[in-house]
Amino acid sequence: EDQVTQSPEALRLQEGESSSLNCSYTVSGLRGLFWYRQDPGKGPEFLFTLYSAGEEKEKERLKATLTKKESFLHITAPKPEDSATYLCAVQAGNAGNMLTFGGGTRLMVKP
Amino acid sequence: DAGVTQSPTHLIKTRGQHVTLRCSPISGHKSVSWYQQVLGQGPQFIFQYYEKEERGRGNFPDRFSARQFPNYSSELNVNALLLGDSALYLCASSLAQGRRANYGYTFGSGTRLTVV
Repeated sequence: EDQVTQSPEALRLQEGESSSLNCSYTVSGLRGLFWYRQDPGKGPEFLFTLYSAGEEKEKERLKATLTKKESFLHITAPKPEDSATYLCAVQAGNAGNMLTFGGGTRLMVKP
Repeated sequence: DAGVTQSPTHLIKTRGQHVTLRCSPISGHKSVSWYQQVLGQGPQFIFQYYEKEERGRGNFPDRFSARQFPNYSSELNVNALLLGDSALYLCASSLAQGRRANYGYTFGSGTRLTVV
């Protein structure tokens, strides 16, 4: 059974304090690992897709990396507007097109 | 361009009733998936439809059903509602279905269902 575990569950940072969010996964044949941002009461907003170990992608203050067992979302010099829940999801080779999500990390950035 | 639209945005139902949720995908997207997100948890896969056919089903009881129409819009139906069905129901659309995960999933804002 595919499993995704995110840590920490919640993270409080001061503005400008860089940190990383972790997504550990076990999956039968990874086809893709997705990162989403979700604001309260809204649907998830796509950030990145990573396909193979060693791959990295960047967008503004965010950088996602992938190994064979986990992915990290690095946040550099965060701002209060980066406050949100960050969701990680995997798509397995034998699971059609379904995404298996982790529980998310709730990030709060204080000014 | 309009994104994924879901209706209604909020809904309150009584235990035992049934509910129909609707989703219109991004224009040109042929695949629609449904997810249930309980407060404080990640979304959980319910169904996927592509070209009007069911292509995937999650671990949900038969009270949950869905369909996709010729215009690729979709409905999710839930019968005999339970208190535990209270959640945010998300619809995601994708351009196609393929072996490589390079068809991104765009989510709607969801329907907040409260069962009392």
